[in-house]
Amino acid sequence: QKEVEQDPGPLSVPEGAIVSLNCTYSNSAFQYFMWYRQYSRKGPELLMYTYSSGNKEDGRFTAQVDKSSKYISLFIRDSQPSDSATYLCACFNSGYSTLTFGKGTMLLVSP
Amino acid sequence: EAGVTQSPTHLIKTRGQQATLRCSPISGHTSVYWYQQALGLGLQFLLWYDEGEERNRGNFPPRFSGRQFPNYSSELNVNALELEDSALYLCASSSARTPGQGSDTQYFGPGTRLTVL
Repeated sequence: QKEVEQDPGPLSVPEGAIVSLNCTYSNSAFQYFMWYRQYSRKGPELLMYTYSSGNKEDGRFTAQVDKSSKYISLFIRDSQPSDSATYLCACFNSGYSTLTFGKGTMLLVSP
Repeated sequence: EAGVTQSPTHLIKTRGQQATLRCSPISGHTSVYWYQQALGLGLQFLLWYDEGEERNRGNFPPRFSGRQFPNYSSELNVNALELEDSALYLCASSSARTPGQGSDTQYFGPGTRLTVL
């Protein structure tokens, strides 16, 4: 079992839809959780950063962490074609100062 | 503020050769991380350098090595290249060595695409 599991998609939605992206993790040592967005042929760009269980909102993006079930989510409201990218969840183990990534979910938002 | 920069953008090598990839971190960042993103495998942690020293390495053979220079830039060397080394190599930097004080927030460069023929 991989430490961080993420459905690769692709996930296709129409413009304006609410998108839900999810990851599960198995390592209880993970303390911090991030979402990165990666456009084709580019490096990952940090979108959201969370530490505790609960929700964190930034514009159209909401990150949710449930440490009891080891489940992390990213919600995108009013999705736009420019949101079409691969979304990577990442979990940070402070003991080793390393990020463990999911494989990424490809999102396609059609106009 | 300039982001993380990497060079070259693309690199084509043949089996058995050596590849050298370079990374310049964000100004003020002391930690540099290297990742491999191969097709179908996702981002895999390779190496972490901080203050000129290797702090941690992922599950990769010793022919993957690197170093960090006094100006905090870094170099990744891959010896005896194999076909499966073809991937996007990403460098990231962060602002602090101590976990929980910034090293968790890593900013990525655009990557070097290595193709091994």
